[in-house]
Amino acid sequence: RKEVEQDPGPFNVPEGATVAFNCTYSNSASQSFFWYRQDCRKEPKLLMSVYSSGNEDGRFTAQLNRASQYISLLIRDSKLSDSATYLCVVNEGGGSNYKLTFGKGTLLTVNP
Amino acid sequence: GAVVSQHPSWVICKSGTSVKIECRSLDFQATTMFWYRQFPKQSLMLMATSNEGSKATYEQGVEKDKFLINHASLTLSTLTVTSAHPEDSSFYICSAWGHQYNEQFFGPGTRLTVL
Repeated sequence: RKEVEQDPGPFNVPEGATVAFNCTYSNSASQSFFWYRQDCRKEPKLLMSVYSSGNEDGRFTAQLNRASQYISLLIRDSKLSDSATYLCVVNEGGGSNYKLTFGKGTLLTVNP
Repeated sequence: GAVVSQHPSWVICKSGTSVKIECRSLDFQATTMFWYRQFPKQSLMLMATSNEGSKATYEQGVEKDKFLINHASLTLSTLTVTSAHPEDSSFYICSAWGHQYNEQFFGPGTRLTVL
């Protein structure tokens, strides 16, 4: 069975903290990788893609290790507005066979 | 980014009735649309993939006769939940993918409650 597993959480951190999320995936043929955030009762929104070389977008850093099928997301200097559920997402297809598999998500609450 | 709308945003219906949910790509042509379902505290689960003008491809365990999908144009896909039961109550989310993007864009979701 193809799965995406994430830290179960929830994470409660103070403002300014650094928090890391981990994710593993089982399908070694997966093509591309993403982190989405989902606010309560809303649709998921793309946070960032994840590349093998690692990539950074402001306070967010994503890493991918294909050999161990592991993905991570690091949030530095967390803000209240970062409170959301973070979804690890794997694309098992490509081109017109684009097919996303979602992890259950990890809930983050940033406290003042 | 591209915009995807869904209608209705929420619906409450009686058991046994059918409910139609619309998904529209507002500013791009979506060659492929996806329908997901999310139960409380669970991950989004792909139900089916539909390509414009062809039959939808359903994921294992999803009844195609219960969840009817129509993708008649490049900007509209519909999901009809037939003879809905309380266990069908869930958050239904569509997404759309077009050749010009390398990303799926999600609609705002439809919350279905079956009494």
